[in-house]
Amino acid sequence: DAGVTQSPTHLIKTRGQQVTLRCSPKSGHDTVSWYQQALGQGPQFIFQYYEEEERQRGNFPDRFSGHQFPNYSSELNVNALLLGDSALYLCASSWGAGQETQYFGPGTRLLVL
Amino acid sequence: GDSVTQMEGPVTLSEEAFLTINCTYTATGYPSLFWYVQYPGEGLQLLLKATKADDKGSNKGFEATYRKETTSFHLEKGSVQVSDSAVYFCALSGGSGNTGKLIFGQGTTLQVKP
Repeated sequence: DAGVTQSPTHLIKTRGQQVTLRCSPKSGHDTVSWYQQALGQGPQFIFQYYEEEERQRGNFPDRFSGHQFPNYSSELNVNALLLGDSALYLCASSWGAGQETQYFGPGTRLLVL
Repeated sequence: GDSVTQMEGPVTLSEEAFLTINCTYTATGYPSLFWYVQYPGEGLQLLLKATKADDKGSNKGFEATYRKETTSFHLEKGSVQVSDSAVYFCALSGGSGNTGKLIFGQGTTLQVKP
């Protein structure tokens, strides 16, 4: 049973560029949530996708956008990258958009120079 | 809004010592509570959870009890091993207007020395 997978594992970009991160949920899960984890901090909720719609959003600017596909996989897009966007981006999947347990992928480490 | 507060680290223990990592929360409604563990260079792994008051979550020798009267969910282990060295995060979901979103504490680093 495959767990949550994310790609790429590492990424280096320069300020002003755009980036797309990808996530495939655990088998049987239909909900994907994205989190940003700055170095030495706890993860911060970006947004959650369920039934191909954004259901909840955290306190992140519109530069952060996402998408969910019919197979439940998801993308996180960040435009106009800032140095402060450097972080570990974690994807978590669950069944349903309620309080079900979320299972995390290994993350994508983004460095913005 | 909802929040989670963990004891500051790092916590340094000798192998076979008793571990307690304190976690308190602020939330209305009936949140679920979680402990996640993060090993160096990896994502988060679910360690244990509790979904209602007085529930005890347990896994791999770790335990935590959901105490609504003290709004706490302290993590304990009777005898730590070097392999338990990691960062531990307390989290909640399902508080007021918070369904499906995990709110994390800042994390507590545990270092276990042989």
